[in-house]
Amino acid sequence: GENVEQHPSTLSVQEGDSAVIKCTYSDSASNYFPWYKQELGKRPQLIIDIRSNVGEKKDQRIAVTLNKTAKHFSLHITETQPEDSAVYFCAATLSYNTDKLIFGTGTRLQVFP
Amino acid sequence: EPEVTQTPSHQVTQMGQEVILRCVPISNHLYFYWYRQILGQKVEFLVSFYNNEISEKSEIFDDQFSVERPDGSNFTLKIRSTKLEDSAMYFCASSRPQNEKLFFGSGTQLSVL
Repeated sequence: GENVEQHPSTLSVQEGDSAVIKCTYSDSASNYFPWYKQELGKRPQLIIDIRSNVGEKKDQRIAVTLNKTAKHFSLHITETQPEDSAVYFCAATLSYNTDKLIFGTGTRLQVFP
Repeated sequence: EPEVTQTPSHQVTQMGQEVILRCVPISNHLYFYWYRQILGQKVEFLVSFYNNEISEKSEIFDDQFSVERPDGSNFTLKIRSTKLEDSAMYFCASSRPQNEKLFFGSGTQLSVL
């Protein structure tokens, strides 16, 4: 079925530490995996995405890794800053119809100064 | 940077009333979407729209919901007879080609009393 699981639901780190959020998906033919950051009361903002033909992608302090065999992908944030505090959602497209994204349940990240 | 814009930002309505949520997608985008987010929960797909017709809809998108692109710029979501459980943040989104980056609007917070 259509399912994206996300862990942990909450994550607290000290400023400067790394944060890792993991997601697993059910459809082995899923081929697009974006990550969104949502600050309180605001729209989800795309921060990084990866396609199934790539294993890793990095953009400054943010990286995403994809393991197609295990059907999981992870968001890595290094040198965390207080402004990284937000809810992060992973998502995946389905194989039979790439119109829609299935979102994970979200991870509330708190970065303490 | 172009943005998806939504109006109104907040809508309060009585149960059973009709509401229309409005969106202006990014101008060169071809695919349009409505998602919703109940407070504290994940973002859920409602409907996708391409070439002036619905390309996919979720089980949430029942007969009470409809979408329309009345002119070259607006994209609307109508809820014919609102229910209490329709209370949520409704996000419009658009993308250029299929399976590409999805850009969200700032949302309409719908409260059904």
